[in-house]
Amino acid sequence: DTEVTQTPKHLVMGMTNKKSLKCEQHMGHRAMYWYKQKAKKPPELMFVYSYEKLSINESVPSRFSPECPNSSLLNLHLHALQPEDSALYLCASSRGLPGAEAFFGQGTRLTVV
Amino acid sequence: GENVEQHPSTLSVQEGDSAVIKCTYSDSASNYFPWYKQELGKGPQLIIDIRSNVGEKKDQRIAVTLNKTAKHFSLHITETQPEDSAVYFCAASGGSSASKIIFGSGTRLSIRP
Repeated sequence: DTEVTQTPKHLVMGMTNKKSLKCEQHMGHRAMYWYKQKAKKPPELMFVYSYEKLSINESVPSRFSPECPNSSLLNLHLHALQPEDSALYLCASSRGLPGAEAFFGQGTRLTVV
Repeated sequence: GENVEQHPSTLSVQEGDSAVIKCTYSDSASNYFPWYKQELGKGPQLIIDIRSNVGEKKDQRIAVTLNKTAKHFSLHITETQPEDSAVYFCAASGGSSASKIIFGSGTRLSIRP
């Protein structure tokens, strides 16, 4: 099983809303990632969690708040987003070792209105 | 940090012909090079990878080659089929970017019937 499950698949939110994206994996992976992908661009790294601790924050604005409640779950809390934050948000996981394969979920298509 | 360049940005080949996508990387300490295929509306799917201690790897119609001295690696798809149409991303990991997967800009591959 190499599945990373993301919910919801689509999300439309207003600029004053608070919403959360969820990601789950049951491969025993100890590293989990959030990426942002704009149309016709490669995925851009946002956050890395390693053993449930935030290890990398790529200078992401505070309106994006990640959370890793346990080794299988990863959340991304959204608050006061801007229309330019509309994108495909991808979650990935890996064993957390250098050179370990990373597997991506199908993404959440976020539209901020 | 690591920088990955990918060429061409678009590629159109006749069904049954071969397709080649090339990437270069900047960090000589990078040691893991995955390739992802992304279909419309889906997350990136790992299709093949290669590590720095190997020069070539094959999996059915797909092969990847790595030249560490020149710091470039390539994806070769033989006997292309319509279902090969997608965006392909090369990536690099390890070295100074051990916890990160740094993506190339992507190649949109179209297979002409």
